[in-house]
Order: sequence, then C-alpha cells, then structure tokens
Amino acid sequence: KNEVEQSPQNLTAQEGEFITINCSYSVGISALHWLQQHPGGGIVSLFMLSSGKKKHGRLIATINIQEKHSSLHITASHPRDSAVYICAVRSRGSQGNLIFGKGTKLSVKP
Amino acid sequence: NAGVTQTPKFRILKIGQSMTLQCTQDMNHNYMYWYRQDPGMGLKLIYYSVGAGITDKGEVPNGYNVSRSTTEDFPLRLELAAPSQTSVYFCASTRGQTNSPLHFGNGTRLTVT
Repeated sequence: KNEVEQSPQNLTAQEGEFITINCSYSVGISALHWLQQHPGGGIVSLFMLSSGKKKHGRLIATINIQEKHSSLHITASHPRDSAVYICAVRSRGSQGNLIFGKGTKLSVKP
Repeated sequence: NAGVTQTPKFRILKIGQSMTLQCTQDMNHNYMYWYRQDPGMGLKLIYYSVGAGITDKGEVPNGYNVSRSTTEDFPLRLELAAPSQTSVYFCASTRGQTNSPLHFGNGTRLTVT
C-alpha cells in the first residue's frame, strides 16, 4: 500500500462545478503539500498545510491530522483548472523530502 | 528572480552514453532534490542534498550520481544510460525549514534508446 493515496485518479467536471480531491496518508507528518502540474509539465506549489484550512482564490485546502486526511476543493471550476493535482507529505524527521501521491488528473469541460 | 532552472528541457541518449542534467537555484536554499516522474507513478527521489558538500541517496539512486560543490548548483550525472532511465526529471529546492514550500524546475524529458 502506498504511503500517500489520492482519489479519484481521474476526474472530469463541467465548468462551474465544485470539485473535491482527496488525499490519505499513513505516516506521521510535519506538513502536507498540494501541487499542480499543468500539461506543459511544470510543477507549482499551491498549498502547504500542517493544520486546519487554507484558502487562495477559488482553491481551498483542508487537513485533519487525526484522520490523516486532506482535501483540495476548487469552487466554480474553470477549464484552466485542468491539470494534475498532486498531494505530497513531509514525514516527521525527514530531511525535507516529500512522499508523493500519484496525482489526480482533472479535466474541466466548458 | 529565476527560481530553479533546469537544463536541458529535452534530450535523447543512446544506450551507454552519459550526460549531466544541470540544476541551479538563486534563492540560497540549502535543500535540493532530484526526482524522476514515470507515467502513472508519483515522483520518486533519486538524490538529495542538505547543503554544499553534503549529498545522500534517495529511493532510486542506482545509475545516477550527484555533486554539490556550491549552494546554487546540484547537477545529476547519468554515467551509462539505460532505457529504464527514460523519464522526466525534476530538480527542486527548499529552504529546509519544516514549513518551507518546495520550488520545482520545469523538468527535463529524457529518452534513452
């Protein structure tokens, strides 16, 4: 079993829909990252969480440390949100390294 | 502020050839990493460095070497390229504190034939 599991693997939505991507992990962590990878391949950091909730524009990330679970929400989705969303955790005591999920491929149709 | 710069963007190698993937960052980050990304898989750590002169193996180091002579540069060397090394390679850096974000380069797509 992977230490970081994401669901769903693929997601197709209509423009305007509310989207949720889930991430579960099995190790003790010091932080959780949500990353975005566009079709061009570049990876951008969206959020870094160690507790609670963060919001940036239409994106919201939450984490429940007790349940070892995080969600990424996109409100009023748009075709430009189409990308692969990657969850990664920094395990406690690690040298800054991350354990990555396999990603969720999101496609938003106009 | 350029961030993390990787070169080249694309490369095709023949089996047995060698090459160096370059990575440089201008943010004075101590921690630098090399990852590979294979289709349908999460990023896997090849090597990492916590500062100039210090490197260590990650999850998939076989067939690769690194050096860290300066804070800015962290090149990845492939000595005898094999088809199994066909992948997309990402360099990343972070300040190293627990809640520091990770900054990625744009990736190098390598094909070994």
